[in-house]
Amino acid sequence: SFVLTQAPSVSVAPGQTARITCGGDNIGSQSVHWYQQKPGQAPILVVYTDDIRPSGIPERLSGSNSGNTATLTIDRVEAGDEADYYCQVWDSSSDQWVFGGGTKLAVL
Amino acid sequence: QVQVVQSGAEVKKPGASVRVSCKTSGYTFVSYDIHWVRQAAGQGLEWMGWVNPNSGTTGYAQKFQGRVSMTRNTAISTAYMELSGLKSDDSAMYYCVRAFGGYGGNWGQGTLVTVSS
Repeated sequence: SFVLTQAPSVSVAPGQTARITCGGDNIGSQSVHWYQQKPGQAPILVVYTDDIRPSGIPERLSGSNSGNTATLTIDRVEAGDEADYYCQVWDSSSDQWVFGGGTKLAVL
Repeated sequence: QVQVVQSGAEVKKPGASVRVSCKTSGYTFVSYDIHWVRQAAGQGLEWMGWVNPNSGTTGYAQKFQGRVSMTRNTAISTAYMELSGLKSDDSAMYYCVRAFGGYGGNWGQGTLVTVSS
């Protein structure tokens, strides 16, 4: 089945920009979705279909997808952005959801 | 507003079965698939399968085929996930998710299942 690759961790200083990537073979042809999970909490959807934010998600979070890499960008990072972030696609060939391994965002 | 509320924590012995419920409200239950995702402690998200509440049609990850059953009761807007033949590595937080096509829009709070002798 489709494989999504994420870096285990990303560190960024407050106020800077964090970029969390999700790699996959020709992932640009798929719709990519992103979830944020804070410790002890259930995941929440922060971006769907590559670049659409659900209501209530700050504009600081944005998504893009092209070629073999999808990216979640968080501008003006805040301490409250510290969380695990997961990318996900629907693999139509196997009719199942596929998750990336997750990236832990640390705010220095 | 949409609510997705799961049943409480479970402790089971190896070889036993567990059934987790997922009660929904605030939307038309039969209009959205329910998916199940689990997460072992300190690990990532693992997709298990889905159920279509309208038709009862299901789809399971190959890893769980033959061991998992996903059902629903439309009268009470509740979905169920039953996992049999429990092993210690089935210990995890189990989430139900209201799906919007290919992604999860609303997640339950999670149900912790512990498998221990």
